[in-house]
Amino acid sequence: NAGVTQTPKFQVLKTGQSMTLQCAQDMNHEYMSWYRQDPGMGLRLIHYSVGAGITDQGEVPNGYNVSRSTTEDFPLRLLSAAPSQTSVYFCASSYSYRVSGSPLHFGNGTRLTVT
Amino acid sequence: AQKITQTQPGMFVQEKEAVTLDCTYDTSDPSYGLFWYKQPSSGEMIFLIYQGSYDQQNATEGRYSLNFQKARKSANLVISASQLGDSAMYFCAMSNSGYALNFGKGTSLLVTP
Repeated sequence: NAGVTQTPKFQVLKTGQSMTLQCAQDMNHEYMSWYRQDPGMGLRLIHYSVGAGITDQGEVPNGYNVSRSTTEDFPLRLLSAAPSQTSVYFCASSYSYRVSGSPLHFGNGTRLTVT
Repeated sequence: AQKITQTQPGMFVQEKEAVTLDCTYDTSDPSYGLFWYKQPSSGEMIFLIYQGSYDQQNATEGRYSLNFQKARKSANLVISASQLGDSAMYFCAMSNSGYALNFGKGTSLLVTP
């Protein structure tokens, strides 16, 4: 079982460059989300999706775009990278977005450095 | 806004001892769920245990149990018989009527021989 697959694992960008972090899940989960993790800050929600064609903003959406054209894929786009976006990014999915015991399944993370 | 507070930035415990990691939460929703995740130094997030707000009994999963005190809005994780492999960051998180899982800032646990 692949679960949640994130690529790349590491990335270095220069300020102003754009890139897409890929996320795919093979569990037919309806809910997918992107978090960033910074030291001492826990995980903060960037964007989420409750199904194909439906996306919405989380706590820290500025500078990021998402789309969900299929159930499986949920890419995160950095439009113009800034040093403040240096972070570890996690994609996560769950069977249901409703309050339940359905836990989030996480990818292994992407460590992004913006110079 | 929903809030999760973990007041212990770091904890030490000796191998084979039990340890409690604190988590308090703040929500006005009557229906919510509480989760604990483990993040070892390798970086992956591992789901440990879940407690629903209407669950009558405390959740248990092997050596992990959740001490749920609804009136005090606390959901402490208890790890019994600590092992060296339990050394990691531990995150408490809450879901409610919204679409986000809100995380606390984490507690770093170090298990010593």
